Amino acid sequence: GAGVSQSPRYKVAKRGQDVALRCDPISGHVSLFWYQQALGQGPEFLTYFQNEAQLDKSGLPSDRFFAERPEGSVSTLKIQRTQQEDSAVYLCASSHTIGGLAYEQYFGPGTRLTVT
Amino acid sequence: KNQVEQSPQSLIILEGKNCTLQCNYTVSPFSNLRWYKQDTGRGPVSLTIMTFSENTKSNGRYTATLDADTKQSSLHITASQLSDSASYICVVSDGDYKLSFGAGTTVTVRA
Repeated sequence: GAGVSQSPRYKVAKRGQDVALRCDPISGHVSLFWYQQALGQGPEFLTYFQNEAQLDKSGLPSDRFFAERPEGSVSTLKIQRTQQEDSAVYLCASSHTIGGLAYEQYFGPGTRLTVT
Repeated sequence: KNQVEQSPQSLIILEGKNCTLQCNYTVSPFSNLRWYKQDTGRGPVSLTIMTFSENTKSNGRYTATLDADTKQSSLHITASQLSDSASYICVVSDGDYKLSFGAGTTVTVRA
């Protein structure tokens, strides 16, 4: 089976443009996470979905960031009016369950966003 | 405030040599600690996961140790190969879905 896929892999946006990043989780995975990884840093939590419900969006840096997962499968992270500080790798991860020792997150390859 | 600190930030080793990476954490409560390998341009891939009661866990040439009392972990790479060149990230869970990531140690293996 395929792993987590993300598209596009690379995105260059001019400051002020809107972007949409897509994540295709592993089929059947209940949980989906978005992370932001700045250069040379570890990933930082952005938001968490359980099926189609967005249970936690506390990591979204501003109201310019919006994420959705309308059918509980594919998710889209949208950034409006991009700014240079938004330049980072955006990682998506999915998991077949939540909580407990069986919990594991499988990461996609990420989308590298560069805002010029 | 970063609750997971890794050292060194980067290191270079010769192929066939061993190396050890360090991770200190302050995450509380503690549920489990994971080491991930992240190749350039790829997402992190899990190497090991340890709970409070586990002191050591191996995955091939990778051996992780955990001292929950001192809140320290290490990742030992034995007989390094060129393919080991990557960033190694220490990740701590408090039992909830949120993970605390270290900044990673970049390992470069030279022939």
